[in-house]
Amino acid sequence: TQLLEQSPQFLSIQEGENLTVYCNSSSVFSSLQWYRQEPGEGPVLLVTVVTGGEVKKLKRLTFQFGDARKDSSLHITAAQPGDTGLYLCAGHQTGANNLFFGTGTRLTVIP
Amino acid sequence: ETGVTQSPTHLIKTRGQQVTLRCSSQSGHNTVSWYQQALGQGPQFIFQYYREEENGRGNFPPRFSGLQFPNYSSELNVNALELDDSALYLCASSSDRVGTTFGSGTRLTVV
Repeated sequence: TQLLEQSPQFLSIQEGENLTVYCNSSSVFSSLQWYRQEPGEGPVLLVTVVTGGEVKKLKRLTFQFGDARKDSSLHITAAQPGDTGLYLCAGHQTGANNLFFGTGTRLTVIP
Repeated sequence: ETGVTQSPTHLIKTRGQQVTLRCSSQSGHNTVSWYQQALGQGPQFIFQYYREEENGRGNFPPRFSGLQFPNYSSELNVNALELDDSALYLCASSSDRVGTTFGSGTRLTVV
């Protein structure tokens, strides 16, 4: 059973378009992180959100943590080919030492 | 500040063999976690070590075992390899829940 479900699983868009990736769960998380992973590499941390309703911006990327801390979204404005990669959400639960990863969203930005 | 280093980067083993994967954690990080990432999926938690003691374990059989050394480096051992063990094995080091750094992984192929 996957604790965190991401949608869509695959996304292929043209350069300059906007997109949103969703990360949903029926469980509460004490914090949630977003990673980007490129082929042959490990995941690289983009952001951590810890407060319900929190919004963080990283250049063209906007991350939001749901009010109930069960879901999150990643919005990319004016996507560029360099944004291509596997986007993973991952959460910590109170009392657990590990990260629970989502199913991943593979983004391809076409020049 | 060095990052997380994993070795080897690629490995091919025969079903039934044993394998040892190694990880040097980031300077100042005393916690090491191991994850298995099958092709096209998000990483799955194997176990975590904190100050040389196992500090949490995911849903993996006992033939997956590990060690952490006084310098906080770590090993992942897998006995009696099965074809389904083929995956990218990721090591992550941290000193608190916000600061997790992943290595580039070891790609294990079992034939």
